[in-house]
Amino acid sequence: KAGVTQTPRYLIKTRGQQVTLSCSPISGHRSVSWYQQTPGQGLQFLFEYFSETQRNKGNFPGRFSGRQFSNSRSEMNVSTLELGDSALYLCASSPASSGANVLTFGAGSRLTVL
Amino acid sequence: GENVEQHPSTLSVQEGDSAVIKCTYSDSASNYFPWYKQELGKRPQLIIDIRSNVGEKKDQRIAVTLNKTAKHFSLHITETQPEDSAVYFCAASQGGSEKLVFGKGMKLTVNP
Repeated sequence: KAGVTQTPRYLIKTRGQQVTLSCSPISGHRSVSWYQQTPGQGLQFLFEYFSETQRNKGNFPGRFSGRQFSNSRSEMNVSTLELGDSALYLCASSPASSGANVLTFGAGSRLTVL
Repeated sequence: GENVEQHPSTLSVQEGDSAVIKCTYSDSASNYFPWYKQELGKRPQLIIDIRSNVGEKKDQRIAVTLNKTAKHFSLHITETQPEDSAVYFCAASQGGSEKLVFGKGMKLTVNP
């Protein structure tokens, strides 16, 4: 079956702009998590959605937001982009309805902010 | 919230040697501890995981041990091969929630 699909794979934006990233989970997976990956900082948790509801949230400013649709596809949005937002944004899906479980990651969306 | 510390940050071994990566966590309620491998330019992939009701788990050349009292867990790779070269991330659940907190990663280099 198809894996986790993220679009776009690469994008370049300028400071002050906003960006929307998309994630389609594995079929049947209803939990979607988002992570920001930067060199030296590892994977930092942004948020997790299940059944269109944000269940868990990381320590990122309000410029970072997300949502999940009824088909479990998820989007995240970053407004008023800053240079420090340049990173690889990873989406992961999980079959778990509750509790921690195996995450399957997408290939990521690499965002460069100029 | 949960805090996961991982060390060392880099490790270089000769092919055939063993490698050990150690992680500590802060949340005594954490109950799930996965390890992910990320090769250069690729996505992280789960290699092994362990739950808090188990002390050790093995899968061929890799094993994970968990010490709940000390709040640390380790990944052991035996008979390392060049294809084991990658960045390895440990993670711990925040309590019993769906949120996984990752360590900062360890770059393993296996020299042929």
